[in-house]
Amino acid sequence: DVKVTQSSRYLVKRTGEKVFLECVQDMDHENMFWYRQDPGLGLRLIYFSYDVKMKEKGDIPEGYSVSREKKERFSLILESASTNQTSMYLCASSSLGGANGYTFGSGTRLTVV
Amino acid sequence: AQRVTQPEKLLSVFKGAPVELKCNYSYSGSPELFWYVQYSRQRLQLLLRHISRESIKGFTADLNKGETSFHLKKPFAQEEDSAMYYCALYRMDTGRRALTFGSGTRLQVQP
Repeated sequence: DVKVTQSSRYLVKRTGEKVFLECVQDMDHENMFWYRQDPGLGLRLIYFSYDVKMKEKGDIPEGYSVSREKKERFSLILESASTNQTSMYLCASSSLGGANGYTFGSGTRLTVV
Repeated sequence: AQRVTQPEKLLSVFKGAPVELKCNYSYSGSPELFWYVQYSRQRLQLLLRHISRESIKGFTADLNKGETSFHLKKPFAQEEDSAMYYCALYRMDTGRRALTFGSGTRLQVQP
């Protein structure tokens, strides 16, 4: 069964900490995405990548960065966590940037205290 | 920029009643529209896409370019349809290769 795997289901971090969220896919997809999911706001695109070492800003990139050193892995980095980054983070991958639909991970619920 | 609007946060219906989840979009180019669903404690998954013109779990959606809408419909709701539903748009004719999602509608089907 093909998958997108997010390394942590729940995380609790302190304000100011540097936080790494990891995502791995085994479908050889070129495109990978990070969204945050908040009630009433839906899914908002943070960053995406269409190739190794390539990245593009989404709609809400402030306070985040990403790393894609290998095709299967896409990491989201919170440089200095803040309480307004408490959210559900969803990783997804796709073979054509979304035209064929995404495969989502199960999500990481991050709480910043 | 493109935008997807789902005007209802919550839609509550009784089992057997018809369901229509509304989705409107603003984009002047050629869109590809999708519906995604998230059942309780499960990951978000693709329900259907307009280009396939298929019916999944009894749901259908028609793209109306004149009204810029892609409403999701089912003639008879089932309790297992209770979930969070997201409408999403993909721009076919520009370089941004990512989906734009709406804010979601929670469907509650009561027995």
